[in-house]
Order: sequence, then structure tokens, then C-alpha cells
Amino acid sequence: QSALTQPASVSGSPGQSITISCTGTSSDVGDYNYVSWYQQYPGKAPKLMIYDVSNRPSGVSNRFSGSKSGNTASLIISGLQAEDEGDYYCSSYTSSSTYVFGTGTKVTV
Amino acid sequence: EVQLVQSGTEVKKPGESLKISCKGSGYSFTSHWIGWARQMPGKGLEWMGIIDPDDSDTKYRPSFQGLVTFSADKSIRTAYLQWSSLKASDTAMYYCARLDDGFDIWGQGTMVTVSS
Repeated sequence: QSALTQPASVSGSPGQSITISCTGTSSDVGDYNYVSWYQQYPGKAPKLMIYDVSNRPSGVSNRFSGSKSGNTASLIISGLQAEDEGDYYCSSYTSSSTYVFGTGTKVTV
Repeated sequence: EVQLVQSGTEVKKPGESLKISCKGSGYSFTSHWIGWARQMPGKGLEWMGIIDPDDSDTKYRPSFQGLVTFSADKSIRTAYLQWSSLKASDTAMYYCARLDDGFDIWGQGTMVTVSS
């Protein structure tokens, strides 16, 4: 059961939009709408940004949105800001009744 | 305030045993599964598995099955992650997290260093 595949890095200028992809299989991303996204700053615990593919927890900026098509989920960050710089991980429920993370993406603004 | 508080930094020798903890407060502890994640130095996050604190039902990711043990004591609202014989490769930060809509509440992490 391998990690979901994410690009190692994505960069953008302030105000731009970026998209982070998360590719899995029909045993995880493709079969369940339990994809979530986490932001992590160096030395800090992860923070939930999106759950169930496209839902934002209370307090998370509406600049963050999520979607899914087939075996690939995406996190879109619009109106990029300096504070968005960090590592981002997707996560999916799997057919083994456990969860799997993506490989992680470093976002540079 | 809803929070998970983990036990402190550990420094152990190879072959030693270890049990780290994750104490929940501010919510119904038995109503939410707890997940454990590993982050090795400079690396990404890896789910190790999940435990239901209500009945201690556990689901381990295959790569961690048999290497670690999850447990929970609902009377003191605490989940545990334990090793019977540590290896140098177990050196990592370990996080617990509450499963609700996504893993919404995270502990601060417990750093485990295994070195002779």
C-alpha cells in the first residue's frame, strides 16, 4: 500500500493560484470521498485544511478549496499569500480500513 | 478547549521498550477514533494506523503491523503507542490526531530518539 503521489514542490507569486495534485488508486482516492488535506509548518503539527474532498473546517480561509476526479484529488490555493508557504499533505481512507498520506508538497511563495 | 496532549521527548537505546501517550480533553474521548502518524527527520508524514478508544479496535497499516501496538484507557482518556524493542530506525516525531471530519485535532508531537 504505497503513499499517494504528490509533486515535490509547487511555487507561485503572491496573488496567484496554485494547484497541488494527489494521485492514488481505485483502492483509496478513487473509491472514497474521504480525502483530506493538511498544512504543516517546519517543527509544527499538521493542520487540517480540507476534509471529505472539498469541505473547509471552520476558520480555514476560503482561499483553500478541494476537488476530486477519478483517482486524483486536488488542493487549490487562490490569492497566494506568504503565510501559505509550507508543506502540504493529502490523505485518503483506504480499502484496508486505514489511511494513507501523500508524499507531500513544498509550497513556495 | 478540545485538545490532545502528548507525552514528552524520549531518548532510548536500541532494544529498549517504550510507551508514549496522547491524552484527550474537551470532548467525548470515546466518540472519536485516534490516529497515529510518524514523521522521520526531514521526511513526510506516514499514517501508522488508528484505534477506537471506546473498544480498542485497531487498524494498522501493513508496514507497521507487528512492529508497534496501539492501546487506550478510556477511564483516563488516554491513547498509547508502544514498542517492545526499539530500533534506530524508529527515531522520529510521532503525532496523534482525532478523527472527526478529517483528522481535525492534533497533538503537539512526541520526539523519540533511539541511539546507542
